[in-house]
Amino acid sequence: TQLLEQSPQFLSIQEGENLTVYCNSSSVFSSLQWYRQEPGEGPVLLVTVVTGGEVKKLKRLTFQFGDARKDSSLHITAAQPGDTGLYLCAGVWEYGNKLVFGAGTILRVKS
Amino acid sequence: SQTIHQWPATLVQPVGSPLSLECTVEGTSNPNLYWYRQAAGRGLQLLFYSVGIGQISSEVPQNLSASRPQDRQFILSSKKLLLSDSGFYLCAWGHRLSEAFFGQGTRLTVV
Repeated sequence: TQLLEQSPQFLSIQEGENLTVYCNSSSVFSSLQWYRQEPGEGPVLLVTVVTGGEVKKLKRLTFQFGDARKDSSLHITAAQPGDTGLYLCAGVWEYGNKLVFGAGTILRVKS
Repeated sequence: SQTIHQWPATLVQPVGSPLSLECTVEGTSNPNLYWYRQAAGRGLQLLFYSVGIGQISSEVPQNLSASRPQDRQFILSSKKLLLSDSGFYLCAWGHRLSEAFFGQGTRLTVV
């Protein structure tokens, strides 16, 4: 069974701190996405990465795709309360035919 | 621009009653359409996907069914709800396997 594991499951930090969340698998992805979801709403796509070693930046968020395309990380610099939410990674396995989601990381940023 | 509408936002139904959740997409044609269920605010489980009118693929055996009567309409149904059907249901669309754009979700509580 192909699994997509996210860590940590829950993270509570103070405003202004930096943080990194991880998405790992033993299988190779053809592409990987990060989503952010607020309570009671649908997930919103943040970024898609497709090339091993790729780094994308979205304001204070930095996304990295592993060289072997088996893992990814999301780094947030100087977190703000507005960053609070559920961060989900999702990917399409190499030779796969659907998008699979990790269990998510719940981030809480306290002011 | 493309938009996705999902309704109702919340629903409380008694055990044994029928269910019909509707999702429509605007601003695009021939999208892939998806129904996901999210338990306890964590990862998403793919229930059904459709690549065209009348074409439905089921990912997990369950008490639910899906239909696509029109290109941009996707319906999730049940003849008799179970307590275990409670959850947060999300409709999504995309043109590639690597993308999913979500609606606002329906919180279903079966009592």
